[in-house]
Amino acid sequence: EPEVTQTPSHQVTQMGQEVILRCVPISNHLYFYWYRQILGQKVEFLVSFYNNEISEKSEIFDDQFSVERPDGSNFTLKIRSTKLEDSAMYFCASRLEGTNYEQYFGPGTRLTVT
Amino acid sequence: GEDVEQSLFLSVREGDSSVINCTYTDSSSTYLYWYKQEPGAGLQLLTYIFSNMDMKQDQRLTVLLNKKDKHLSLRIADTQTGDSAIYFCAERMDSSYKLIFGSGTRLLVRP
Repeated sequence: EPEVTQTPSHQVTQMGQEVILRCVPISNHLYFYWYRQILGQKVEFLVSFYNNEISEKSEIFDDQFSVERPDGSNFTLKIRSTKLEDSAMYFCASRLEGTNYEQYFGPGTRLTVT
Repeated sequence: GEDVEQSLFLSVREGDSSVINCTYTDSSSTYLYWYKQEPGAGLQLLTYIFSNMDMKQDQRLTVLLNKKDKHLSLRIADTQTGDSAIYFCAERMDSSYKLIFGSGTRLLVRP
């Protein structure tokens, strides 16, 4: 069964450094998402992406964040200058085009900012 | 505003039924979802219900929706130890495809 994959599973970085989290969505999916879950808190929406542009973003998704689909298979989340409070589990999700299709999530990347 | 609430913890004995509850605030929700998260794993979609339905059954899972009270529940029949996990309720608004998650209910199944 096709699934969303994410790399790395765990990333440790120093405050102020740039990180890129990578996702490979399910191959025929056209909508892509990033969510994050700070330890002990709710899963929060960050951004949705369709047709090579952001379709919706949350207040969390400020200028420090960017997303890109650099080729036909990868979908990346870049954090330009990480802060301690960016430490969280980051989930990628994808879905088919159409209103009735659900989002499938990857296993997540745990980001630890020290 | 959008908010989804769940109780934090539920403990049941193996073989019993589990009922996990969720309340949401936004009446424009179109789909309501249940996701399962096992330790160290991602979010696995279990089932979903469209807002014009009252009930949906899928093998051991039964979803009940009370739209008037904005209350959603997930019943797991014959709960097994492998059902131990965190269960998240999520809503999707009509105007958006983003999901709004509850804080998750940790289900512990005792042998």
